[in-house]
Amino acid sequence: DTGVSQDPRHKITKRGQNVTFRCDPISEHNRLYWYRQTLGQGPEFLTYFQNEAQLEKSRLLSDRFSAERPKGSFSTLEIQRTEQGDSAMYLCASSFPGGGSDTGELFFGEGSRLTVL
Amino acid sequence: GNSVTQMEGPVTLSEEAFLTINCTYTATGYPSLFWYVQYPGEGLQLLLKATKADDKGSNKGFEATYRKETTSFHLEKGSVQVSDSAVYFCAPDFGNEKLTFGTGTRLTIIP
Repeated sequence: DTGVSQDPRHKITKRGQNVTFRCDPISEHNRLYWYRQTLGQGPEFLTYFQNEAQLEKSRLLSDRFSAERPKGSFSTLEIQRTEQGDSAMYLCASSFPGGGSDTGELFFGEGSRLTVL
Repeated sequence: GNSVTQMEGPVTLSEEAFLTINCTYTATGYPSLFWYVQYPGEGLQLLLKATKADDKGSNKGFEATYRKETTSFHLEKGSVQVSDSAVYFCAPDFGNEKLTFGTGTRLTIIP
């Protein structure tokens, strides 16, 4: 399967613990996005990378959140000192935009569901 | 500012019924417009798109027309099937290098 893959699919943790999610995008895609989705809501943008450069971070992304894409391939999203409000589905998507500000079609993974107890 | 408003759900229809899911947007420019669908247990996937006024996107029997005058991109299908049961998201690209998603509309089709 050559789609976007995310790991783990489900993570249960206690409040205050750190968690890390990994995303492997489609190999030829140079853009990688992280979104967060809570129950009954649409995905909310968190951050995105163009190759290894993190170009934008949402105000939703507090200092406890950090994302990396060290070699322009896979990406990790770490949440430190988790809170119950962090419980959500974390979605990764990749794209190969046509140029300019065109986002292009986003290809999504199945998501990593975080439950903070 | 830029925003998207999507018809609230859930929507329940009988098989072969006509479907409309409303989507309107507010934008300072002319966004590209997308509909994404999330089938049970699967990731979000692109359903259709339109990049300029009066364009019609279509796929799997679904259609949506980019209406600049009414800033809308309503999703329609003439005869829904049980397999269309999913959550549908309207998602404009406001030219800021990301998609902004609506709240989603859960569609259930009853045989």
